[in-house]
Amino acid sequence: AQSVTQLGSHVSVSEGALVLLRCNYSSSVPPYLFWYVQYPNQGLQLLLKYTSAATLVKGINGFEAEFKKSETSFHLTKPSAHMSDAAEYFCALGESSASKIIFGSGTRLSIRP
Amino acid sequence: NAGVTQTPKFRILKIGQSMTLQCAQDMNHNYMYWYRQDPGMGLKLIYYSVGAGITDKGEVPNGYNVSRSTTEDFPLRLELAAPSQTSVYFCASSYHRPSSYNEQFFGPGTRLTVL
Repeated sequence: AQSVTQLGSHVSVSEGALVLLRCNYSSSVPPYLFWYVQYPNQGLQLLLKYTSAATLVKGINGFEAEFKKSETSFHLTKPSAHMSDAAEYFCALGESSASKIIFGSGTRLSIRP
Repeated sequence: NAGVTQTPKFRILKIGQSMTLQCAQDMNHNYMYWYRQDPGMGLKLIYYSVGAGITDKGEVPNGYNVSRSTTEDFPLRLELAAPSQTSVYFCASSYHRPSSYNEQFFGPGTRLTVL
């Protein structure tokens, strides 16, 4: 069965530090994977997506994610955190045969000055 | 393009009242979705539609109804509002082709409180 697991409901880093948000998935077919960001009181916005073209995917605002099939992971990283990165981040899994995508439970990212 | 629009932005209902949350998209997307997001929680799928005239239940459909008479519009109906339906509701759309998958585009949300 499909599933998405985000490790850590809350991550706090200092401004300028590395951001690492973890996502693991389970899928019986080649997956499509997404990271979305939700700023306070707003809808979800796509950060980046993996659709099998390249394992390292670059997104907006300096974020990137690497698809690792052997580890069934799609972790999100950013080399240097900025205060404006404080938000909720959702990992999501889609399959070409399915009508829906499955969202993880979300990770709230806080940035310390 | 306006993208995905939702109205109203905020609403307070009394228990037992009914209302319709409106959602429209101007991107000619074939798939549309309704989610609810409770405080500190992720998204739960209520209903979705793969095209005009076709709808299906998601994880949490009880207490809601939908219709899709046009490609553009996907309203969500609450018939007898209950406090458990207090939530933020998001509409989303995507263009889905066989053997491919594209991202969902989200509206700004409707914040509903049932008292």
